[in-house]
Amino acid sequence: DTEVTQTPKHLVMGMTNKKSLKCEQHMGHRAMYWYKQKAKKPPELMFVYSYEKLSINESVPSRFSPECPNSSLLNLHLHALQPEDSALYLCASSQESTGLGVETQYFGPGTRLLVL
Amino acid sequence: AQSVTQLDSHVSVSEGTPVLLRCNYSSSYSPSLFWYVQHPNKGLQLLLKYTSAATLVKGINGFEAEFKKSETSFHLTKPSAHMSDAAEYFCVVSDDSSASKIIFGSGTRLSIRP
Repeated sequence: DTEVTQTPKHLVMGMTNKKSLKCEQHMGHRAMYWYKQKAKKPPELMFVYSYEKLSINESVPSRFSPECPNSSLLNLHLHALQPEDSALYLCASSQESTGLGVETQYFGPGTRLLVL
Repeated sequence: AQSVTQLDSHVSVSEGTPVLLRCNYSSSYSPSLFWYVQHPNKGLQLLLKYTSAATLVKGINGFEAEFKKSETSFHLTKPSAHMSDAAEYFCVVSDDSSASKIIFGSGTRLSIRP
């Protein structure tokens, strides 16, 4: 099973709202990722969690707040977003790298976010 | 620094004809290379992965890619296109600076003519 699930599929929020995106995997992966993808562009890395600890933050604005409650779950808390934050938000997971090459990242279907 | 270049932003082929999506990379070390496909309004699905075990890599749905170190290329091919192959394709290379990072090409949109 190589499935990563994300909820909700679609989300519309105002600039004063607080909402959360959820991601779940049951593959035993210890690395989890958040990406942002704008239309007709490749995904851009936002955050990486390794063994439930934040290991990479790609200078993402603080209105995006990640959380990894356990090894299977990854959340992205959203607050005071701007219209330009509208995008497809993708979650991915992988085995932790053993140093013998990059592990394959498995992606979820994404949450399409619209900020009004 | 690593980079990956997808040479065509859009490729259009007729159903039943061969597909060639071109990708060139730069890497200081022996890279890991991937091809992912993204259908409209969907997430990314792994097509195949190269990790130095064999230069010709077979993937899902009849796709394959050949790693050519001398040409720094990793082109994706399929002998016969299906309508269901219409999608965006991303060539991806490992980032030498971090085992957690991968670098995406800009993508190639594949259209299939009936």
